[in-house]
Amino acid sequence: DGGITQSPKYLFRKEGQNVTLSCEQNLNHDAMYWYRQDPGQGLRLIYYSQIVNDFQKGDIAEGYSVSREKKESFPLTVTSAQKNPTAFYLCASNDRGGHGNTIYFGEGSWLTVV
Amino acid sequence: GENVEQHPSTLSVQEGDSAVIKCTYSDSASNYFPWYKQELGKRPQLIIDIRSNVGEKKDQRIAVTLNKTAKHFSLHITETQPEDSAVYFCAATLMEYGNKLVFGAGTILRVKS
Repeated sequence: DGGITQSPKYLFRKEGQNVTLSCEQNLNHDAMYWYRQDPGQGLRLIYYSQIVNDFQKGDIAEGYSVSREKKESFPLTVTSAQKNPTAFYLCASNDRGGHGNTIYFGEGSWLTVV
Repeated sequence: GENVEQHPSTLSVQEGDSAVIKCTYSDSASNYFPWYKQELGKRPQLIIDIRSNVGEKKDQRIAVTLNKTAKHFSLHITETQPEDSAVYFCAATLMEYGNKLVFGAGTILRVKS
């Protein structure tokens, strides 16, 4: 778990503003994921990437964008098109693209719209 | 998480009693079933997992059972303690989702002392 670093831990976004959440891992994992968690809710998959320079939409990709230019980095941009972005965002990673291998989570980032 | 259903959504037990949380899944090809514990404001952490080639796995007070025929798996916590209070998530790999993990909606466990 300690090998996945998310920043910032707390972020405030103004209406119409794009913000980017950072996720870095030093576990040499191939796959990385972004989940959104609303208060009292489960984990919903936003985007995932199983290899560098490739990524796929999850269940709730609208209003979000990602890039995977390096194996260790998978930043998430919350765009102004995401109308209700206030949530807890979790980055995760595992090796072999989720084929039965444990997913490890970062410590999360709290995003609040002000 | 609609393909992984988790029950109950909340569970309250007395300290020392057992707690059981059950999940059902839709894909008979699923082969990996982890359980995560999440304390308030923190990240989910893996507490136990099971693969489809075994029916039961135990780690001290925690056990997981898998019934592949019925497509359900359960988390059992014995001799519950106040520090077991948290949200617990089950998950399953689902082939129809590219073999990614799909999470249940979570169970809030409260252990009363």
